[in-house]
Amino acid sequence: SQTIHQWPATLVQPVGSPLSLECTVEGTSNPNLYWYRQAAGRGLQLLFYSVGIGQISSEVPQNLSASRPQDRQFILSSKKLLLSDSGFYLCAWSAGSPSQPQHFGDGTRLSIL
Amino acid sequence: AQSVTQLDSQVPVFEEAPVELRCNYSSSVSVYLFWYVQYPNQGLQLLLKYLSGSTLVKGINGFEAEFNKSQTSFHLRKPSVHISDTAEYFCAVRRSYNTDKLIFGTGTRLQVFP
Repeated sequence: SQTIHQWPATLVQPVGSPLSLECTVEGTSNPNLYWYRQAAGRGLQLLFYSVGIGQISSEVPQNLSASRPQDRQFILSSKKLLLSDSGFYLCAWSAGSPSQPQHFGDGTRLSIL
Repeated sequence: AQSVTQLDSQVPVFEEAPVELRCNYSSSVSVYLFWYVQYPNQGLQLLLKYLSGSTLVKGINGFEAEFNKSQTSFHLRKPSVHISDTAEYFCAVRRSYNTDKLIFGTGTRLQVFP
């Protein structure tokens, strides 16, 4: 069966520090991959999605970036974090068919001090 | 473009009472519809999905949803809720021919009281 892993589960970072969040998927190949952010008490904001290695689509202009160095690895990065980057970050994957749902990881709680 | 509206940001209900969480969507093309549940500090878990066929869809944990094309709605229902159903519920839509992304509603917080 397919599984998705995100780490770390929680992270506390100072303003201006770099960020790297990692997401990996097991048990499937060539998945679509997604990064979402969820601010406190808010809905889901799609940040990036990828349909293949090296193919990244950005939904929201910001100081975050994403990379997909391997088929089942998706990384969210920042060179300098802002206070507004605080939130709950979720990675998700789906198979390459419109009828297939997205499957989510357990999320990373990021607090910026 | 597609959009999803969840009409209630919060729904309080007593245990064993029925509940309906409302979802309306807007799209000029055919869509697939999904309901997800999110427990505190966790990711989203798929409850059910509508692709085609019968308009009444049954999901996990005793939930069901009814697709109504004329009203462009996909309301989620449960005949008798439990305390453990307290969570955030998200409705989502995707174009039936496009694999890139889901459009999510803003969520409905279901609070079940004893």
